[in-house]
Amino acid sequence: EVQLVESGGGLVQPGGSLRLSCAASGFTVSSNYMSWVRQAPGKGLEWVSVIYSGGSTYYADSVKGRFTISRDNSKNTLYLQMNSLRAEDTAVYYCARVGGTPLGSNDYWGQGTLVTVSS
Amino acid sequence: DVVMTQSPLSLPVTLGQPASISCRSSQSLVYSDGNTYLNWFQQRPGQSPRRLIYKVSNRDSGVPDRFSGSGSGTDFTLKISRVEAEDVGVYYCMQGTHWPRLTFGGGTKVEIK
Repeated sequence: EVQLVESGGGLVQPGGSLRLSCAASGFTVSSNYMSWVRQAPGKGLEWVSVIYSGGSTYYADSVKGRFTISRDNSKNTLYLQMNSLRAEDTAVYYCARVGGTPLGSNDYWGQGTLVTVSS
Repeated sequence: DVVMTQSPLSLPVTLGQPASISCRSSQSLVYSDGNTYLNWFQQRPGQSPRRLIYKVSNRDSGVPDRFSGSGSGTDFTLKISRVEAEDVGVYYCMQGTHWPRLTFGGGTKVEIK
């Protein structure tokens, strides 16, 4: 059974940093493309970033230059380093293998971790 | 980026009655391989999103057959033939054709009248 478990969320001041982790089981992170998707309180879903099996990374314009996606193959874990955080980054962050693309159909989501940016 | 527009925003439905949600994309979702990567997700209150439909009309494993997807090009529809209480939640369409930048519709909230 595939499980994705996020951690690392919490309260941080504007301008601060936070690193989110996503531990995978039943599934090999390095062999798949993995995304972070966020959801601001009461709002819809927003794709944030993706890392492909070959290591290529892409970001939404709203986080480019501030967020970095990475993975540790030995730990089968995905990360999202978030710097220069803003109030508008407040959201539940989901780790996901978002299927339904030309690269694959399997679709897995974690339970999410809440990031609150506030003074 | 491809913009996904859903309607209606809110959909009050009587139990046992049908429901229909529309999703339109700002660009064609037909990929070079001939497939159309349009997906539908359900998000129940307090839960993570769960995919229901992929490539326009293919139901995911365990999804009741009262859910169906249709459409082509830029216009797509999710239908629930007979709404049940467990169907309450927010439904999102998502395009995967124009990867890596995945985009979601704004969501449609289904509630019981």
